[in-house]
Amino acid sequence: SQQGEEDPQALSIQEGENATMNCSYKTSINNLQWYRQNSGRGLVHLILIRSNEREKHSGRLRVTLDTSKKSSSLLITASRAADTASYFCAVPNFGNEKLTFGTGTRLTIIP
Amino acid sequence: NAGVMQNPRHLVRRRGQEARLRCSPMKGHSHVYWYRQLPEEGLKFMVYLQKENIIDESGMPKERFSAEFPKEGPSILRIQQVVRGDSAAYFCASSRQADYGYTFGSGTRLTVV
Repeated sequence: SQQGEEDPQALSIQEGENATMNCSYKTSINNLQWYRQNSGRGLVHLILIRSNEREKHSGRLRVTLDTSKKSSSLLITASRAADTASYFCAVPNFGNEKLTFGTGTRLTIIP
Repeated sequence: NAGVMQNPRHLVRRRGQEARLRCSPMKGHSHVYWYRQLPEEGLKFMVYLQKENIIDESGMPKERFSAEFPKEGPSILRIQQVVRGDSAAYFCASSRQADYGYTFGSGTRLTVV
């Protein structure tokens, strides 16, 4: 199975602090994706990073990818209460590119 | 651009009834995926379809579950003779091509009573 696994399972930080979440996967990939899910809602695509990229930015989000360690990290800088959500990494299944999701990191921002 | 539209948002069925969940992908997207999510858990892949073709149904239970994506109209996930264990949120996602990010719908929450 190519499932990505997030770490930690849950994270609580004060508003304004930075939040870092990690993802590990098992086999070779051509891209890795991060998604956010607010309670009771669908997932929202945040960033896709390809295997030939090491770092990617989008607003307050920074994603890194280390293919030698088969790991990725998602950094949210200057966190806000609205960032409270579950964050999932997803990796494509080699062959038909369907995405496999981990169990997520539940991030709580304390005002 | 209306995004991925799923309906109904909530569906209540009695044990033994049929549930039909609909998904209209984003305009221009030809790849459709269905996932199931239990409370406090991640998404479990069910099936991947393109127009008139099932590409991967490795996550679908062998019995009672079926999916289609016809040439015209939405994708349908059909659950026959529902049981309590089918209660979950079912999410549909679409993408323009296989290695692009997905756009998710808001999900259908199925409750079997």
